[in-house]
Amino acid sequence: AQSVAQPEDQVNVAEGNPLTVKCTYSVSGNPYLFWYVQYPNRGLQFLLKYITGDNLVKGSYGFEAEFNKSQTSFHLKKPSALVSDSALYFCAVRDRRYSSASKIIFGSGTRLSIRP
Amino acid sequence: DGGITQSPKYLFRKEGQNVTLSCEQNLNHDAMYWYRQDPGQGLRLIYYSQIVNDFQKGDIAEGYSVSREKKESFPLTVTSAQKNPTAFYLCASSMQTGEGQPQHFGDGTRLSIL
Repeated sequence: AQSVAQPEDQVNVAEGNPLTVKCTYSVSGNPYLFWYVQYPNRGLQFLLKYITGDNLVKGSYGFEAEFNKSQTSFHLKKPSALVSDSALYFCAVRDRRYSSASKIIFGSGTRLSIRP
Repeated sequence: DGGITQSPKYLFRKEGQNVTLSCEQNLNHDAMYWYRQDPGQGLRLIYYSQIVNDFQKGDIAEGYSVSREKKESFPLTVTSAQKNPTAFYLCASSMQTGEGQPQHFGDGTRLSIL
């Protein structure tokens, strides 16, 4: 069975410092991996995805994520945090054996708080 | 601009009442989805549709119904059988072709009980 875990409910970082939001997954096949961001009372916005190739994926707003197959992780990173990065972040995984996006599984979310 | 429009933004339901949440997309996507979001939990899939006039139950379909009469529209009805309907409801769409297509989300409808 597929699953995804975001072990931290909240991450607090000072503005200008690097940030990491953790995600680990469990799928029986090779995964598609996604990160989304949600601002208050808004829908989810797609940030980046891993399909194949380079383990370091670059996405929107200066975010990047590193795929680590041996550790089954897909941590979200940014070299220098902005106050405007404060939001709820979701990791999602889908076994690529399934063609339908209905099989995507979302993590429980990590609230990122950037202090000035 | 292309996107997904959900309405209303806020909705209140009385006991025994059915309510319908609207979702319209102009992205020309074949697939559409309804999710429920509760605090501290990830998104849970209610229903999805991969093509017009066809839809499938997700993980928590009980107490909900949908229709897909047009490609652009995927309304969700929360029936009186849903005993705990208070939540944030998100509609999404995606392309069916291409590897690892991401989902595009609307801005949600927050449903509360009067």
